[in-house]
Amino acid sequence: DSGVTQTPKHLITATGQRVTLRCSPRSGDLSVYWYQQSLDQGLQFLIQYYNGEERAKGNILERFSAQQFPDLHSELNLSSLELGDSALYFCASSEGPGGVNTGELFFGEGSRLTVL
Amino acid sequence: AQSVAQPEDQVNVAEGNPLTVKCTYSVSGNPYLFWYVQYPNRGLQFLLKYITGDNLVKGSYGFEAEFNKSQTSFHLKKPSALVSDSALYFCAVRPYNQGGKLIFGQGTELSVKP
Repeated sequence: DSGVTQTPKHLITATGQRVTLRCSPRSGDLSVYWYQQSLDQGLQFLIQYYNGEERAKGNILERFSAQQFPDLHSELNLSSLELGDSALYFCASSEGPGGVNTGELFFGEGSRLTVL
Repeated sequence: AQSVAQPEDQVNVAEGNPLTVKCTYSVSGNPYLFWYVQYPNRGLQFLLKYITGDNLVKGSYGFEAEFNKSQTSFHLKKPSALVSDSALYFCAVRPYNQGGKLIFGQGTELSVKP
């Protein structure tokens, strides 16, 4: 058990809809990361938050947004969903904001999103 | 651009034999390199990392990795493979000055047969 909790584990929805994925980081970790895993794209970094502030941004679509709350949990909002958004979405956490002393990332079990 | 490449989609090994999963990297500055393992329908688990120091890094479950600066490689190794090592293995690099994110390779499926 990594200590990172993600909900829901599975989600099935229709095109055009909006969903919210939730992540609670490991105790003591201030950084939260979101990744998308799909067969054709592999593991793609979406965004990182550190202590409530956006720290790094990756290949995140404009239809997607995220935030980190004062209690350090994070939410990833996916809107106007398309078939191609079907994927496994991972949250990860780490102690630091970046650089050599940040440490490794600890991953949750993921949220599997299916868009029909 | 900073990246890692895993040249083999799949590696097949007999139980008890040594295994190697290959990774090459491209970075500017000092490389911060990682290996993760993913079992079916699970999240990624950290195996080991290279930040600085000894070129041979020891990690979880008997795995080790050798950092080779001249060949820009960071191959994952284990002296004696177990059937339970069968999983998807990812090499990753932390880019310099881009937060704490990791950039992952495409992954290598390791299959260990009895």
